[in-house]
Formats: sequence, structure tokens, C-alpha cells
Amino acid sequence: DIQMTQSPSSLSASVGDRVTISCRAGQNIRTFLNWYQQKPGKAPKVLISATSTLESGVPSRFGGSGSGTDFTLTISSLKPEDFAIYYCQQTFTTPYTFGQGTKLEIK
Amino acid sequence: QVRLQESGPGLVKPSQTLSLTCNVSGDSITNGGHYWNWVRQHPGKGLEWIGYIFHSGLTYYTPSLKSRAAMSVDTSKNQFSLNLRSVTAADTAVYFCARASYYFGDNGDHPYFDYWGQGALVTVSS
Repeated sequence: DIQMTQSPSSLSASVGDRVTISCRAGQNIRTFLNWYQQKPGKAPKVLISATSTLESGVPSRFGGSGSGTDFTLTISSLKPEDFAIYYCQQTFTTPYTFGQGTKLEIK
Repeated sequence: QVRLQESGPGLVKPSQTLSLTCNVSGDSITNGGHYWNWVRQHPGKGLEWIGYIFHSGLTYYTPSLKSRAAMSVDTSKNQFSLNLRSVTAADTAVYFCARASYYFGDNGDHPYFDYWGQGALVTVSS
């Protein structure tokens, strides 16, 4: 299985801040990396597919980059609704695997 | 509007079989551009992918659950199902069904999960 490791596991930030969340794959996954946002009691919601493709309806303050083993999710200017848990997922090969999550909290 | 909805018992006894169904609306389960997945989340923990099924019946299960999991599809009802045998307390989780679509990029066809059910909490307890 490909292990996905996110850092940090938790992050405190303020509205308006720029934040980055990292995701490292245990082997080369090219650009087969997706990002999801999950709020308490809700299903995950896809933000970005294929490393950098913004899903329809997702605000442009979200951005993704990377290739191979190192990937980044950037939120350019935090809004109150962005405080949630973020997961990366590789779909390069089965079994698909998720990172352990990064909890973004309000400072 | 695509919607997925899980249904099934919320309480299962140890050693019995967990059975969940995902009803799909707004899309045909036979649409060849998608395939259908189960994901679970243990209380307070991260996401664990269980496996997928295509409308043809082709399946894949994550190795840790392969010996106990079985998925099926009912095209007449536009739904797919998960059975997990011989459950223990460690199978207590919220179970999500999700649709996989593809982003068609220069670097290949990239699967991602674009629609999810709201989740069904299944507790394994006597």
C-alpha cells in the first residue's frame, strides 16, 4: 500500500491567513492526488483532483501543486467556512489511500 | 443533481454480517464513466477506502478487508451494496458510499470521488 503522510496534523490560523498543508506519498504517484475537505458530521467534499484541478464551485483561494511524492494544498486567504479537516488521497494505484488528515482550527 | 444515500441497520451484533445499500439518483449506475466505492471512518479517525464495484460487477477490495467484504450492484434499482462478514467492534464506523469519476489529463485518467452519501453509522455491539 502507498502510505500518505500529511503535515502538519493540526494547524491553528486566523481568518485572512495563507496556509499550506503538505502531503507526502510513500512512492511516486505522478499527479494522482486529490484533496478533500470534511466538516463535522458531514461527508468529505472534493476540492481538487489530479493535484491541481479545482472542482467546480470550489473557491479560487484553494490551490494545489506538486508531483511525484510531494504535494501541497494552499488556501490563500482563510475564510471562516474553511476551518475543517483536510485529507489527501492517492488514486495512482489500488488500494487507494488517504492521508491521516490535517485539522485546521481557528486561532 | 446526483445524490447517493446509504441505508441499512445501525446496529449489528458481533460475528454477524453488516449490510449496507447505496441508492443512487440523478445518474445511472450503468454510466460507464463512473464506478462506485465504499469508504469508512472510525469514530474520530481518518478515512479508509474499502473498495469499488463497476456496473459490470468487477470489484476490488482493500487487502485488509478482502476476506470479509463483498460488493454487489443492482442495476434495476440503481443501487449498490456492501456486505461485511464476521464483524467485530473494530468495524464500528461511519460508512460512506461515493461515486468515482475521472479527470482526463495529459498525464492519464485520474480518478477522484466527486459525490458522496451522507454516511451511515454502524455500531457493532451485542
